[in-house]
Formats: sequence, C-alpha cells, structure tokens
Amino acid sequence: GAGVSQSPSNKVTEKGKDVELRCDPISGHTALYWYRQSLGQGLEFLIYFQGNSAPDKSGLPSDRFSAERTGGSVSTLTIQRTQQEDSAVYLCASSFGYQPQHFGDGTRLSIL
Amino acid sequence: AQSVTQLDSQVPVFEEAPVELRCNYSSSVSVYLFWYVQYPNQGLQLLLKYLSGSTLVKGINGFEAEFNKSQTSFHLRKPSVHISDTAEYFCAVSEKDSSYKLIFGSGTRLLVRP
Repeated sequence: GAGVSQSPSNKVTEKGKDVELRCDPISGHTALYWYRQSLGQGLEFLIYFQGNSAPDKSGLPSDRFSAERTGGSVSTLTIQRTQQEDSAVYLCASSFGYQPQHFGDGTRLSIL
Repeated sequence: AQSVTQLDSQVPVFEEAPVELRCNYSSSVSVYLFWYVQYPNQGLQLLLKYLSGSTLVKGINGFEAEFNKSQTSFHLRKPSVHISDTAEYFCAVSEKDSSYKLIFGSGTRLLVRP
C-alpha cells in the first residue's frame, strides 16, 4: 500500500528565500509528525498534529518555521527567509497512535 | 530532560554472526523506548518499541531488545545478521505524557560483511 509521501525529494534554494515542504500521510492516519535530521543536531522533533487538536509546535526552532495540516490529511512545513543552518533532511511520519511509525523518505533541503 | 546515548558509532560484524547494539538513556520520569532503522536515502522504520509489560520486546526482521530499568538500557540484539541488515540504527526515548516527542540517539551504523 501507499506509504508516507514527501515532496520535493530534494530542494536547493538561496539563502533568504521561502520554501514549502509537503507531506502526504498514510490514508486514515490521525497523527502526523515532522522531524529534522541534520549532521550537527541529529534527529529533532519539530511539530505534531493529532486529529483536530491544536498541534504541539514546541520543537519548531524559530518563528520562521510554521506548519499546517489541512483537512486532517496533507501537511505543509514552511520555512521563511531560509538560513544556511536550515539545511537538513526534513522527515514526515504518520500513525494511528501517539508515536511515529511510518516515515517518508524525507526532503533534503540545501541552502546556498 | 531525557537523553539517549549510543556509544558505538559503527559496529562491523560478519554475516550470520550475532550482534548487539547498545543504547543507554537518562530520564527522571517514566519513559517509552524505541528502535528505528534507516536504510540509505530512506526514512526511518520502526523496528520495535517498549511501552509496558514484558521487558523483552520482539520486533520485525528478527530483532529484539530488552528493557533494563536498573541499568537504564535498551540494547538491540539479533542472533544472526544478514547483509541486508546493513543500515543505521537509532534508539529513541519519549516521556509517557508526550510520547510523540522522541529524543533520538546519534545512531549506530551496522556494517555486515560477507
């Protein structure tokens, strides 16, 4: 069956530009998670959506980062005014429960 | 605050040999524990998790892990590895009240040689 789909798979952009990363979770999964994987910081929690509840945004590193989840399905992570330290692989996961189970292959973001 | 330590950055092992990947954690509250595997250029896949109950947890692909509360460890084991097990393995911990917020270790690269 279809897994978690992320797009684009790779994104190269200039410092200062805005970027949008998309995540299509497994159909019916109520929980959606964003994590970031970088050489310097390893794997870090960013944000968590569960059904219609308010998301836990406590992992977002600055106010340049935001995320939304429309209709309880697709999610978009937006980074404004990108900085070089934003370069990382952004991973999305979904599940029925409260822990991430199925991860997508990630979006590799490179800031020039 | 929790933390996870994976002391071995790389573990080389011959095919069909047993392997143990070590994970130690620190936390002042009750935790859940997880192991994930990441193959090259892919996302993470959940191998197994400990939430409660039996301290010996069996997962996919023949892996198992044992929760040891007194030693604050959750080591991953497999009795006989295959070439296809070559990957990066991550141990993670979360508080029971916010189990979606995983704290990951730095990872251990398992390299299986023929």
